[in-house]
Amino acid sequence: DTGVSQDPRHKITKRGQNVTFRCDPISEHNRLYWYRQTLGQGPEFLTYFQNEAQLEKSRLLSDRFSAERPKGSFSTLEIQRTEQGDSAMYLCASSGLGQGAGDTQYFGPGTRLTVL
Amino acid sequence: GESVGLHLPTLSVQEGDNSIINCAYSNSASDYFIWYKQESGKGPQFIIDIRSNMDKRQGQRVTVLLNKTVKHLSLQIAATQPGDSAVYFCAETKGHGKLTFGQGTILTVHP
Repeated sequence: DTGVSQDPRHKITKRGQNVTFRCDPISEHNRLYWYRQTLGQGPEFLTYFQNEAQLEKSRLLSDRFSAERPKGSFSTLEIQRTEQGDSAMYLCASSGLGQGAGDTQYFGPGTRLTVL
Repeated sequence: GESVGLHLPTLSVQEGDNSIINCAYSNSASDYFIWYKQESGKGPQFIIDIRSNMDKRQGQRVTVLLNKTVKHLSLQIAATQPGDSAVYFCAETKGHGKLTFGQGTILTVHP
């Protein structure tokens, strides 16, 4: 257990529905990252926060995706009007001050999304 | 790295053997490299890291080698155990930015 928690662990939804995932980073980590991983591939970067500021977004993050980190602690990732191609593992990672101080990104267990 | 779908490289070893997993990275500006282990259904787990000003770093049973000339990274696992069976990914980054993951390698350790 790295100390990064994600909820829910699994989500099954129907195409067209909206879903929201939550990530709680390691306490005091000021940087938070979201990645997406499909079967047989490495994680792909989606977006990154430093404190509450969203500093970078990937082209993978279409208009249907939005991420927030309102108080600089936990973060949410919302997918609107889900499509079958959104089925993947959504991973959160954190880094920064505190445990494992520095650039090392520690990952949570992920949220497995299945869109029917 | 570019994705290769389901056909990941595989490495099969006997328990007690040493394992070497290789990775080519793409960005010569990257200054920080990490090896992660990922078990089925779990998030990537940090194993060891190395900065670009180093060529070698050792941990417990693991060693990472960095060759910046050919942009190559390797992970050596000594006395491999069945619990080491997993997919291993290398990742690169500059500073504390996004990680770019390389192609994973499936390691299978036979008792």
